[in-house]
Amino acid sequence: DQQVKQNSPSLSVQEGRISILNCDYTNSMFDYFLWYKKYPAEGPTFLISISSIKDKNEDGRFTVFLNKSAKHLSLHIVPSQPGDSAVYFCAASAEPARQLTFGSGTQLTVLP
Amino acid sequence: EAGVTQSPTHLIKTRGQQATLRCSPISGHTSVYWYQQALGLGLQFLLWYDEGEERNRGNFPPRFSGRQFPNYSSELNVNALELEDSALYLCASSLAVALTYEQYFGPGTRLTVT
Repeated sequence: DQQVKQNSPSLSVQEGRISILNCDYTNSMFDYFLWYKKYPAEGPTFLISISSIKDKNEDGRFTVFLNKSAKHLSLHIVPSQPGDSAVYFCAASAEPARQLTFGSGTQLTVLP
Repeated sequence: EAGVTQSPTHLIKTRGQQATLRCSPISGHTSVYWYQQALGLGLQFLLWYDEGEERNRGNFPPRFSGRQFPNYSSELNVNALELEDSALYLCASSLAVALTYEQYFGPGTRLTVT
């Protein structure tokens, strides 16, 4: 049973435009959500996170939105740059376990 | 600030052997997590160590084990290796449990079982 789902395996956007990556979850106990970026043969790099008590968090070009009632979160990247091309994973965590439950990832390709 | 380091980068073992993977967390981090990324699969949680104690383990058989040392570094041991253990093993560290959920990952160890 996949508790965190990323239904789009891939996404292509033009440089300078907005990239929107989506993630759905089923476990209502999740109280913290994170986004990671991963290049091949490297470990995931932490991007941005959001607590369940918030609905939005911004950090530079990255904004994460959380809709608890829909059990949905999204990552917006504006403007998109070719260096953003990577696999993006959403992850969720819940007390007291603390381990991250990951989605299957979305391959983002930013076209120059 | 140095990130999470893992060794070795690559490890090739024969079925039935034992593998030992090592991880050094970011300075000041006391929690260490291990994840497995098998080919075609997502990242699966293996083990969590905090302050030298195993806090939680994922849905993996007991032949996956590990420990955390007083300096907070950790090792993952996989006994009686099977072909399906071939995967990228990632270590992550975080600050004291009460402070944060964010985990920072190392580059991984690629384990190949032949």
